[in-house]
Amino acid sequence: DTAVSQTPKYLVTQMGNDKSIKCEQNLGHDTMYWYKQDSKKFLKIMFSYNNKELIINETVPNRFSPKSPDKAHLNLHINSLELGDSAVYFCASRQSGVSGNEQFFGPGTRLTVL
Amino acid sequence: AQKITQTQPGMFVQEKEAVTLDCTYDTSDPSYGLFWYKQPSSGEMIFLIYQGSYDQQNATEGRYSLNFQKARKSANLVISASQLGDSAMYFCAMRIDRGSTLGRLYFGRGTQLTVWP
Repeated sequence: DTAVSQTPKYLVTQMGNDKSIKCEQNLGHDTMYWYKQDSKKFLKIMFSYNNKELIINETVPNRFSPKSPDKAHLNLHINSLELGDSAVYFCASRQSGVSGNEQFFGPGTRLTVL
Repeated sequence: AQKITQTQPGMFVQEKEAVTLDCTYDTSDPSYGLFWYKQPSSGEMIFLIYQGSYDQQNATEGRYSLNFQKARKSANLVISASQLGDSAMYFCAMRIDRGSTLGRLYFGRGTQLTVWP
């Protein structure tokens, strides 16, 4: 009964390639997020979608393109991968309008660019 | 601007002892929430505890309690009776509950807690 799932869990690829990470939540939440955790473990927001609409785009290179086909899914496509893209990418979800509820995180996708 | 500061890169505690992980925050918005997440070596993010800016009492969840001092803008996590399984990275995070940020979390840089027998 996974709440927020991501695929793949590990992704190893060469520079210049294009790759996608998929995220799905079965919690019925209306808001989903992508966070990037760098090599120093710092977590930073990348994107946020609410009801399939892009709400937050946090100064991310346009090589990163999120896509939300429906409220339960938020995918991340990365073009022309660079060494600096190596990180752990976390998807998260939350129901908006409720002040006390936490974000539920997926297990993370460890991306390694060679 | 919103900011979360965790000044302890690493902390050590003996099993069964209590430990306090420090967190200070900065925001001019009166409505916000403060969170603590645990990240074990396996990598997942585990929610521990939440404190709302208007909550009068400190939040508690089992062995976790949040020492909320609003005037000092601090939200320290207290873990009582530490266990070996508490060894992990701990993140403090803040969410602004109004405006267009839609619940995004601002994270501190984390504190690596090591519990020794």
